[in-house]
Amino acid sequence: AQRVTQPEKLLSVFKGAPVELKCNYSYSGSPELFWYVQYSRQRLQLLLRHISRESIKGFTADLNKGETSFHLKKPFAQEEDSAMYYCALFGGNQFYFGTGTSLTVIP
Amino acid sequence: NAGVTQTPKFRILKIGQSMTLQCTQDMNHNYMYWYRQDPGMGLKLIYYSVGAGITDKGEVPNGYNVSRSTTEDFPLRLELAAPSQTSVYFCASSYGDKAFFGQGTRLTVV
Repeated sequence: AQRVTQPEKLLSVFKGAPVELKCNYSYSGSPELFWYVQYSRQRLQLLLRHISRESIKGFTADLNKGETSFHLKKPFAQEEDSAMYYCALFGGNQFYFGTGTSLTVIP
Repeated sequence: NAGVTQTPKFRILKIGQSMTLQCTQDMNHNYMYWYRQDPGMGLKLIYYSVGAGITDKGEVPNGYNVSRSTTEDFPLRLELAAPSQTSVYFCASSYGDKAFFGQGTRLTVV
């Protein structure tokens, strides 16, 4: 069965510290993985996708098929990174979202 | 380009009342979704649709109904509102691996 797991509901880091948001997935085929972000009182928006292999706002994510993980990383957290982050899997023409991790960057 | 539009933005309902949350998209997407986001929790799929005339249940469909008479519109109906349905509701549409979200409807049932 398809599943996206984000083990941390809440994550707090100090400004300037590295941050890693964990995401593990379960999917029988070859999935496409995404990270979506929701800033306070705004709609969800795409942050990055594994296919693009890009860095957005300093964030990167590497798809590790062996560990079935797609962790989101940033070397130096900023206050404006405080938001809700959702890992998502696209497969079988559907999206599956994790339960989200609320990131707070402490000044 | 409007994208995904939800109305209303806010609503307070009394227990037992009914209402319809509207969602429309102008991108001609076949796939549309309704999610709820409870305080401090993640997204839970209520219903989804793969095209006009086709709908299916998600993870938490109880207490809700949907219809999809056109490609553009995917309304969510609450027949007998309950306090447990207090939540923020998000509508989304997708084309291939691209998903677009509405700005949400904050619903309080008292």
